Amino acid sequence: SAVISQKPSRDICQRGTSLTIQCQVDSQVTMMFWYRQQPGQSLTLIATANQGSEATYESGFVIDKFPISRPNLTFSTLTVSNMSPEDSSIYLCSVERPRDSTYNEQFFGPGTRLTVL
Amino acid sequence: AQSVTQLGSHVSVSEGALVLLRCNYSSSVPPYLFWYVQYPNQGLQLLLKYTTGATLVKGINGFEAEFKKSETSFHLTKPSAHMSDAAEYFCAVSVGGGNKLTFGTGTQLKVEL
Repeated sequence: SAVISQKPSRDICQRGTSLTIQCQVDSQVTMMFWYRQQPGQSLTLIATANQGSEATYESGFVIDKFPISRPNLTFSTLTVSNMSPEDSSIYLCSVERPRDSTYNEQFFGPGTRLTVL
Repeated sequence: AQSVTQLGSHVSVSEGALVLLRCNYSSSVPPYLFWYVQYPNQGLQLLLKYTTGATLVKGINGFEAEFKKSETSFHLTKPSAHMSDAAEYFCAVSVGGGNKLTFGTGTQLKVEL
């Protein structure tokens, strides 16, 4: 398994500001993922972060809005830039670990609940 | 592209009653299917998965799910609900063992005395 912590657990921010969310894993992992869960909607993958390379963003998400850092194999940050109320969501990071020969299991952090006023 | 539909955003059952949470998927290739549970203020935890082989899969806490290709379904069941089962449940699909999960919108399970 994997123990994942996120900071902050929740925050209330003003529109136009930025918030950086931290994700810490208890051991080294190759791939880390950032998801968004908007109210009443499913989790949506924002980007995949590999250490030592640029993050790979999913359709509809751009680096200018959601810059990601991955300085080492146990840590990543996601910044939500120039926030608007539409960015109010739960943001989750996840990592994957080999489960068996057929697939890698994803483990999720507790999430960061963001409210933008 | 794959997608997941969870019927019923809220399900309420009595303690001891059958739990049935519905999940239908759409995928152009054989899918890997997952059920995750999220307790309040906690991360998602894997309940069970289907990758290949036996279509009836058993998970933690007495839950099980059956992959039915003909119905494109992967419904989650538990014979007897317990108060501790109250949580939000997410069905998810990935294709070819890839790491990109597509999630359903979730079902909030309430267990009443």
